[in-house]
Amino acid sequence: DAGVTQSPTHLIKTRGQQVTLRCSPKSGHDTVSWYQQALGQGPQFIFQYYEEEERQRGNFPDRFSGHQFPNYSSELNVNALLLGDSALYLCASSSWSGGSYYTQYFGPGTRLTVL
Amino acid sequence: AQTVTQSQPEMSVQEAETVTLSCTYDTSENNYYLFWYKQPPSRQMILVIRQEAYKQQNATENRFSVNFQKAAKSFSLKISDSQLGDTAMYFCAFIPSGGYQKVTFGTGTKLQVIP
Repeated sequence: DAGVTQSPTHLIKTRGQQVTLRCSPKSGHDTVSWYQQALGQGPQFIFQYYEEEERQRGNFPDRFSGHQFPNYSSELNVNALLLGDSALYLCASSSWSGGSYYTQYFGPGTRLTVL
Repeated sequence: AQTVTQSQPEMSVQEAETVTLSCTYDTSENNYYLFWYKQPPSRQMILVIRQEAYKQQNATENRFSVNFQKAAKSFSLKISDSQLGDTAMYFCAFIPSGGYQKVTFGTGTKLQVIP
């Protein structure tokens, strides 16, 4: 049973560029949430996708956008990168239709460095 | 809005000893879930234990157990027979039940198990 997978593992970008991060949920899961974790901090909720729609959003600007595909995988896009966007980006999946929505399983994360 | 507070930034414990990590939370919700996640240096966020607020019985998972005090809004994690592999950041997390909800994390406690 494959767990949550994320790609790439590491990414280096320069200010002003755009980046796309990818996530495949755990088998049987239909809900994907994205988090930003700055160094030494707890994860901060960015947004959540279910049925290809954004269901919840945290306090992040519109530069952060996402998408969910019919196979439940998801992308996180960040435009006009700022130095402060440097962080570990975590994807978590859960199952709304399967009745285990409240327990989220995390991927290994993508480390984004903005220079 | 919910808040989660972990007042111990760092802790250490001798191998084979017992350690307790503290977590308090603030919410007006009556039904919710609480979690402890472990994040080792490999950065993969791993679910340690889960507690449903409507259950009075404290959750246990092998060497890990919680002390859930709903009235006091306290949710501590006890690790018995500490092992070197327990060295990690530990995050307390909260999610209200009902509808689409987001997880709120604490700032984490860095646990070092000493040989």
